[in-house]
Amino acid sequence: KAGVTQTPRYLIKTRGQQVTLSCSPISGHRSVSWYQQTPGQGLQFLFEYFSETQRNKGNFPGRFSGRQFSNSRSEMNVSTLELGDSALYLCASSLGLAGVRETQYFGPGTRLLVL
Amino acid sequence: AQKITQTQPGMFVQEKEAVTLDCTYDTSDQSYGLFWYKQPSSGEMIFLIYQGSYDEQNATEGRYSLNFQKARKSANLVISASQLGDSAMYFCAMRVVLGAGNNRKLIWGLGTSLAVNP
Repeated sequence: KAGVTQTPRYLIKTRGQQVTLSCSPISGHRSVSWYQQTPGQGLQFLFEYFSETQRNKGNFPGRFSGRQFSNSRSEMNVSTLELGDSALYLCASSLGLAGVRETQYFGPGTRLLVL
Repeated sequence: AQKITQTQPGMFVQEKEAVTLDCTYDTSDQSYGLFWYKQPSSGEMIFLIYQGSYDEQNATEGRYSLNFQKARKSANLVISASQLGDSAMYFCAMRVVLGAGNNRKLIWGLGTSLAVNP
């Protein structure tokens, strides 16, 4: 079974631009979660989508948005990029219905550098 | 407050020796899940092992075992026979259920950096 894939793997943008990151979950997984990881803040939860609906949201400004398609693929968008948005963005997929036993499987991440 | 604490920012271990990475958690929930992930320098987060709060046996997966002490609220990861490829960041995480339904939250620790020396 193929793992979680994320595209692109690396991205360089300038302040003020916008960016879209893509994530394809493991086949059969209906939940996709997004995380931002920086050396200073650690792993921070952005949002989770399940069956095309946002189920959970972290404490990020409205510049960060996402969506999920009917095939469970998900995209994350960051508008008006700031230098502080430079980070590793990780996508994780899971079945979505396993309660506390729910195991997330991560993609390789997208490294975003904002200049 | 629900929280995961990993008190060891960095650890060193000799190749072929065992190492224990500490994780303590705080929750008032009775049902929760505990996870360990490994993150090599490449960035990908790799799932290692899971322990449920109602599981009576400590979880094991190959060279990984979880030393689960519920009364002390600790879920330490034990890596036996360390290998050079074990050098990575290790994260402990806890999943709790929020309210009714299937809404869950995964709470992460700040991680422990493990270096395996040859």
